[in-house]
Amino acid sequence: QQPVQSPQAVILREGEDAVINCSSSKALYSVHWYRQKHGEAPVFLMILLKGGEQKGHEKISASFNEKKQQSSLYLTASQLSYSGTYFCGTESEGGTSYGKLTFGQGTILTVHP
Amino acid sequence: DGGITQSPKYLFRKEGQNVTLSCEQNLNHDAMYWYRQDPGQGLRLIYYSQIVNDFQKGDIAEGYSVSREKKESFPLTVTSAQKNPTAFYLCASSNLNTQYFGPGTRLTVL
Repeated sequence: QQPVQSPQAVILREGEDAVINCSSSKALYSVHWYRQKHGEAPVFLMILLKGGEQKGHEKISASFNEKKQQSSLYLTASQLSYSGTYFCGTESEGGTSYGKLTFGQGTILTVHP
Repeated sequence: DGGITQSPKYLFRKEGQNVTLSCEQNLNHDAMYWYRQDPGQGLRLIYYSQIVNDFQKGDIAEGYSVSREKKESFPLTVTSAQKNPTAFYLCASSNLNTQYFGPGTRLTVL
């Protein structure tokens, strides 16, 4: 079953912060975050593993709440280059298909000057 | 440079024709994947392969076929049985946990 992302879309001014959430009904082993620019391939941002620590680099970080099967992506002091569609991909715990991800429907992030 | 290549970038076909999309990787990854993306939607898994000469159906395999004769190649055939083939097709490969995507092929069936 597909994870649910919220919000579906968010509009920011440069310098503002945003949070994107990803929620699953299944027990998760890992959550992967990607950003996709229009017409291009998704670009890997980060992976969070069960039992792992919060990840982040520069102004983008993420957390993984294993008990709630939820992950959140935090974008701080947004830049114009952050615009795009953000997807979470989840890998279920206990599955036999190693590395198989199920993606959310995406969150469209638009940053204005 | 290591990476994933997909060709062609744009593809037009007449309804009823089979078409094969190419995906090649030189990252030495064992696993490869095919996804379909429709406007405003997420990625849906068509087929995946974790090892040469073996592959499994994803969530929307009907109307598609694949082969994995070489580690670096994972071509996808869109058959005439696929009712709505017009979409953006993405190939990915992975090492351990992380999937990396190719640039995609936009298929339009006229």
